[in-house]
Amino acid sequence: GENVEQHPSTLSVQEGDSAVIKCTYSDSASNYFPWYKQELGKRPQLIIDIRSNVGEKKDQRIAVTLNKTAKHFSLHITETQPEDSAVYFCAANGGTYKYIFGTGTRLKVLA
Amino acid sequence: GAGVSQSPSNKVTEKGKDVELRCDPISGHTALYWYRQSLGQGLEFLIYFQGNSAPDKSGLPSDRFSAERTGGSVSTLTIQRTQQEDSAVYLCASSSQLKGDTEAFFGQGTRLTVV
Repeated sequence: GENVEQHPSTLSVQEGDSAVIKCTYSDSASNYFPWYKQELGKRPQLIIDIRSNVGEKKDQRIAVTLNKTAKHFSLHITETQPEDSAVYFCAANGGTYKYIFGTGTRLKVLA
Repeated sequence: GAGVSQSPSNKVTEKGKDVELRCDPISGHTALYWYRQSLGQGLEFLIYFQGNSAPDKSGLPSDRFSAERTGGSVSTLTIQRTQQEDSAVYLCASSSQLKGDTEAFFGQGTRLTVV
């Protein structure tokens, strides 16, 4: 089945700097790669997603890149702000259509 | 209608007792997922209901765990003879598509504490 690895587990950046979170997946049948943000005590919420037919997608300060050959995808957050502090999860759907999540990255943006 | 709804929000139970957790997905969503999140940890897949097909139970950690989805809507996750290691937040999510290729919406979770 699908296995998703995520790095780093924790990340601290100064406000205004960029943050990058990386994930790798194992199942070549995966074709959908969402990123979720979970604030403390709240439910995970989708912030951006990418499908296997594109290599990059951008939404304001957030961008995601996908390398199908290498089976890895990354989340990029530019001009970080304190409200970006949260846990971020990547996921892949695999050939069995269930979302398998990475272990999460705790991002701290230091003011 | 409203988002994914889970009940109860919090549940404290004694070791050895059975518990039932309920999930009310977004109306019309055919895919329903259960995940478990231990304190400070990731999202562990438990079970996936995929329309009228047999559910994918490959993530259930033991035979003490079971789930059903009645009428293609509400789902119940049952944990029998609860153990302390079952303490976690149980999250339900639903999606409008069966191929796992669109947004999954999460409920607020049920925090289960086994004492």
